[in-house]
Amino acid sequence: GENVEQHPSTLSVQEGDSAVIKCTYSDSASNYFPWYKQELGKGPQLIIDIRSNVGEKKDQRIAVTLNKTAKHFSLHITETQPEDSAVYFCAALANDYKLSFGAGTTVTVRA
Amino acid sequence: DSGVTQTPKHLITATGQRVTLRCSPRSGDLSVYWYQQSLDQGLQFLIQYYNGEERAKGNILERFSAQQFPDLHSELNLSSLELGDSALYFCASSVSSGGDNEQFFGPGTRLTVL
Repeated sequence: GENVEQHPSTLSVQEGDSAVIKCTYSDSASNYFPWYKQELGKGPQLIIDIRSNVGEKKDQRIAVTLNKTAKHFSLHITETQPEDSAVYFCAALANDYKLSFGAGTTVTVRA
Repeated sequence: DSGVTQTPKHLITATGQRVTLRCSPRSGDLSVYWYQQSLDQGLQFLIQYYNGEERAKGNILERFSAQQFPDLHSELNLSSLELGDSALYFCASSVSSGGDNEQFFGPGTRLTVL
């Protein structure tokens, strides 16, 4: 099955700086890569996703890049704000319809 | 609020017992997914139902079972509970059966097995 690795496990940034989270996947057949944000006491919420026919996607302060050759994808958050503090999960979907999640990155934005 | 509801919010029970977790998907969503989130295993996909039929299966234990009813709500049954089953259990729903549709997660049920 698909194996997704996520780094770093924790990330502390100064408000206004950028945050980058990286993930690698093992199954070259994976074709859908969502990112989820989980706030304390809540379920994960989709913040952005990318499909394998696209190299980059941007939504305001959030962007995701995908390198299919290297089998890795990254989340970039620019101009970080305190409300960006949360746990972020990457995931990959292979042909078996099952989403495999990374272990998560706890992001703390320091005011 | 995602529109997905889960009950109960918290559940405390003893080893060997059986519990049922309930999920109501967003209005119009036909797919329901169950996930287990624990500190050591992260977020693990358990099972997916689409319009009442099992669609995909993850690393779900034989002691666990699920079903989706005609009104599209779903239940996850956990039996012969062990200490290691303590975790957050999330339900998610999506419009169709493909895993590449946005999945909306409920608030979760926290299960504690003593």
